[in-house]
Amino acid sequence: EDKVVQSPLSLVVHEGDTVTLNCSYEVTNFRSLLWYKQEKKAPTFLFMLTSSGIEKKSGRLSSILDKKELFSILNITATQTGDSAVYLCAVVLFRNYGGSQGNLIFGKGTKLSVKP
Amino acid sequence: DGGITQSPKYLFRKEGQNVTLSCEQNLNHDAMYWYRQDPGQGLRLIYYSQIVNDFQKGDIAEGYSVSREKKESFPLTVTSAQKNPTAFYLCASRRRSRGRDTEAFFGQGTRLTVV
Repeated sequence: EDKVVQSPLSLVVHEGDTVTLNCSYEVTNFRSLLWYKQEKKAPTFLFMLTSSGIEKKSGRLSSILDKKELFSILNITATQTGDSAVYLCAVVLFRNYGGSQGNLIFGKGTKLSVKP
Repeated sequence: DGGITQSPKYLFRKEGQNVTLSCEQNLNHDAMYWYRQDPGQGLRLIYYSQIVNDFQKGDIAEGYSVSREKKESFPLTVTSAQKNPTAFYLCASRRRSRGRDTEAFFGQGTRLTVV
């Protein structure tokens, strides 16, 4: 069975801290990895990673993929209270029909709380 | 503006009733997905469709049904057979492509409560 595992499941930090969120996967036919931020309703897209070792950056957020060790990390520097959210990792597979798991598999998310 | 729209945002259902959640997209995406989100559970796949007139069951399809008669629309019916339907439901769409990959786009979600 294909798996996407995020850690930690929850995290509490103070403003200004730097955090690293982890996403590991065991899947067949890996295509890409997606990171989303979910505050109240719809997840909003952060990054798509397809190649190992190439860091993607957007402001204080950055992410990198390691296809050899099968994981990705999402870094947030100088955290702010507005970063409080659930961060979701998803893996896209090279297949149209993957049985009951489909071809877009999500982890359980990491709930980040940033205290003032 | 292109996007994906779910309606209604909030829905109350009496026990024993069927209800239908709407999901419409104008992004010309072939693939559409329905997820259920409960606290601490992440997103669990209910049904997905890669093309019009075809769909597949996800991990938790029991008590749900879908149709995909049009590319733009993928409604989800929560039937009375679903024992614990109170949850937040998210619809997503994604372009199928052999070349450049794309992310999934989400609707704003429907919160269903059984009363």
